[in-house]
Formats: sequence, structure tokens, C-alpha cells
Amino acid sequence: AQKVTQAQTEISVVEKEDVTLDCVYETRDTTYYLFWYKQPPSGELVFLIRRNSFDEQNEISGRYSWNFQKSTSSFNFTITASQVVDSAVYFCALPYAGGTSYGKLTFGQGTILTVHP
Amino acid sequence: EAQVTQNPRYLITVTGKKLTVTCSQNMNHEYMSWYRQDPGLGLRQIYYSMNVEVTDKGDVPEGYKVSRKEKRNFPLILESPSPNQTSLYFCASSSYSGSEAFFGQGTRLTVV
Repeated sequence: AQKVTQAQTEISVVEKEDVTLDCVYETRDTTYYLFWYKQPPSGELVFLIRRNSFDEQNEISGRYSWNFQKSTSSFNFTITASQVVDSAVYFCALPYAGGTSYGKLTFGQGTILTVHP
Repeated sequence: EAQVTQNPRYLITVTGKKLTVTCSQNMNHEYMSWYRQDPGLGLRQIYYSMNVEVTDKGDVPEGYKVSRKEKRNFPLILESPSPNQTSLYFCASSSYSGSEAFFGQGTRLTVV
């Protein structure tokens, strides 16, 4: 069975601080993808990144960076110089592959990030 | 514009009154799913569909029905809603497993 764990339920920081959101996953697949989604207060789910298990290079997009470590089954997300607009719920997700692909995503419980001015 | 459209966005209903939440996507995606989001539990899959007339249960299917008669539409049916189905519901579509899933705007359902 697949599982995604986001142990940090809530994080509170002050603007301009760096913050890292943790994601640990379990899968029996040897090849897989990992996603991060953002859910701002307006409620929609915004896709942030997809990472293939073949590629363990860190990825940076502006103030966002992702650290994928297959050896520890972790896919952590760092926001540098956080801003109030980063306040949201962040979800890590693992697509189901298994024997037949069904387009299912297994989500973590989510981390509520609050950035104070 | 590529999108997944859910309706209604908000719904308050009474226990036992059948309702349908519609979902439509314009990207010709094979896969569609329904999720419910509850505090502390993240999103959990209710039902999914690989293609027209092919559907199967997800993790929390009890009390829900779906159908996929056309590729673009995937309605969620609550035959006899109960208060424990009060939740935020999302429809999603993707072109293949592992591809980005596009989500609808969400439907906030309250059953009283």
C-alpha cells in the first residue's frame, strides 16, 4: 500500500524566514512520481511540481526548491524568504502506479503554513 | 482554457435528499477521480474512472455512486446523503497515471 506522511500539521513563520515542509512516502514501486500541491485560502488546488524517481537532483523555481532523497523516501519543499501570499495548505502526493494505472493520488494530511507580516 | 468544472460550488441539503455534483473536463483526459477533503485527513479518493463506462471504488466509496457515460463528464451521486458526508469535494482529471492532475474548484457540501 502507498502512504504519504506530512508530520508537520501547522507551521507558523514570520515573513522573510525560510521554511521547509517535510514529506515522507512509502511505495513498493521502483519507478514513481511525486507531486506537491498548494491550496490557498480560496480553496482551489494548485499544482506546484512533479518529480520522477529517476531524477534526484534538487529543483529550484524562484523562491521554491525541492529536495528529493530516494534513500530516505523524502521529498521536502523549501520556501526561501517566505511571503504572506505563501500562506496556504501544502500537500505532498504520490500517484498510484501498481499493476494498472488508475490516476489515483495518495495525499499526505497536508501542512498548514501561516506567514505573518 | 484547460479546466475542470464542478457544480455547484456550495450546497446545503437535508439528510436523505438525493443530490448530484457535476464534473466536466475539456482536456480529453482518460482518468477522472473524485476526492473528499476533511481536516487532518488530507484528500481521500472516493471513486475513479479510467475511461467511459470504466469506474471503480477508491478508498472511501460508501454512500456514493458515479457514472462515466461520456469521456468529459463524471458526476458524483449521493443517493441518500448523511451528515458524515459533509465535506469539501474535488473532481480531478489526468491524461495518464503520473501526469499532473487538474482539479476542479471544489464543492463544499453541508448535509443537515
